[in-house]
Amino acid sequence: AQSVTQPDIHITVSEGASLELRCNYSYGATPYLFWYVQSPGQGLQLLLKYFSGDTLVQGIKGFEAEFKRSQSSFNLRKPSVHWSDAAEYFCAAGGNDMRFGAGTRLTVKP
Amino acid sequence: GAVVSQHPSWVICKSGTSVKIECRSLDFQATTMFWYRQFPKQSLMLMATSNEGSKATYEQGVEKDKFLINHASLTLSTLTVTSAHPEDSSFYICSATRAAGTYNEQFFGPGTRLTVL
Repeated sequence: AQSVTQPDIHITVSEGASLELRCNYSYGATPYLFWYVQSPGQGLQLLLKYFSGDTLVQGIKGFEAEFKRSQSSFNLRKPSVHWSDAAEYFCAAGGNDMRFGAGTRLTVKP
Repeated sequence: GAVVSQHPSWVICKSGTSVKIECRSLDFQATTMFWYRQFPKQSLMLMATSNEGSKATYEQGVEKDKFLINHASLTLSTLTVTSAHPEDSSFYICSATRAAGTYNEQFFGPGTRLTVL
């Protein structure tokens, strides 16, 4: 069955530290891949997406993600986290039939 | 561009009443709209997919008689929760796609918080 897995439910990092959020997918073929961010009580904001081509994708707010076919992964990274990055992050895969991971809650320590 | 709005942003209702939530694409025509439900601290679960002028396609386990979806125009879809009960309390999010083709990027609305007393 098609699925998206985010192994980390909650991550805490210090402000200024680097961040990596993990995402693995299980699909028959490489799906379209996305990362969204959700602040409390808000909708989803698209951070970045991967369709094909360059496996390192740049997004908004200084985020990037790397697609690794061999590992079926699409991990999100940021070199220096800001307090405003604290939110819930969702990895998603698919097209019209989109599947979301369970989400990773990011807490940023001052 | 590609802005999706939802109305209301939050609603409180009594058990047994019906609630209508609107989803609008403000600056594009939406070929397809999607409705998701999100329980506290959980992920989004797709409820149904609707195309303008057609009946909605519901995901397994979603009661179509309870969650009525109408996609009457290319810019408006409505979700009506009929005879709402406390277990229907949730965050409902819609999304819309705007172009035909192999893949249509989904643009998400800000969500509607439903609380059923």
